Amino acid sequence: DGGITQSPKYLFRKEGQNVTLSCEQNLNHDAMYWYRQDPGQGLRLIYYSQIVNDFQKGDIAEGYSVSREKKESFPLTVTSAQKNPTAFYLCASSPRDQPQHFGDGTRLSIL
Amino acid sequence: SQKIEQNSEALNIQEGKTATLTCNYTNYSPAYLQWYRQDPGRGPVFLLLIRENEKEKRKERLKVTFDTTLKQSLFHITASQPADSATYLCALDMNDYKLSFGAGTTVTVRA
Repeated sequence: DGGITQSPKYLFRKEGQNVTLSCEQNLNHDAMYWYRQDPGQGLRLIYYSQIVNDFQKGDIAEGYSVSREKKESFPLTVTSAQKNPTAFYLCASSPRDQPQHFGDGTRLSIL
Repeated sequence: SQKIEQNSEALNIQEGKTATLTCNYTNYSPAYLQWYRQDPGRGPVFLLLIRENEKEKRKERLKVTFDTTLKQSLFHITASQPADSATYLCALDMNDYKLSFGAGTTVTVRA
C-alpha cells in the first residue's frame, strides 16, 4: 500500500538531548513537510522540501533541523535548542499544487 | 500576515441534521482552499479542494462553498451520522507548495 510512515509513534526526550523523527513515503511525491500540532491550534509548518537536497524553513523552524538526501525520506531532528518540544508532529507529502497526504504522527514528550 | 478563523471550537448536532462549518480568512487571496478531516491521534485526511473560480464543490454528503469577496468558505455535512464525528480543518494555499491551516472545528454527532 502507498502511504506515509512515521516512526516512532511515541517518543520521549531527556533534557539536552537531540531526537530524530522518521518520515518515509512511497507515493513518489516531490514535496514533503513537517508540521507541529498543539492542542487548540492549527498545524504549524516547521520545514518543507520541494526536491531532494533542498529544503526551506517554515514558520517555526527554530530548534529543528531536517535533511532530504532521498526522495522517500525527510527526517526531522528536534534539537536541545527547542525549549518546548512537547507536541504532536505530523509529516506530509504531496505532488505540486495537490492535496497533502499525512502520516499518523509522532507524539513527543519530555522526561 | 494571513489569519484563518474557524467557527467555534466545537459543534454538537443531532444525527440526520446538517452541520455547517465556517472558515474565514484575512490578508490573503488564495488560489484554492482545502478541507481535511482529523480523527483523534491520527493525521489529517484530505476531503475536498475548491478553487477561487469555483463557487461550490460536492462529494457525497459533503458540500463546500468558496466566496472570495467575503473571504469565507462554508463546509456542510448533510444527513450527518455519528461516524462523521471528527475535527475538520480548513487550509489555504499560500503558493510555493505551502498550506496555512486553521485550528479546526470538532464536530460531535449524537445518535
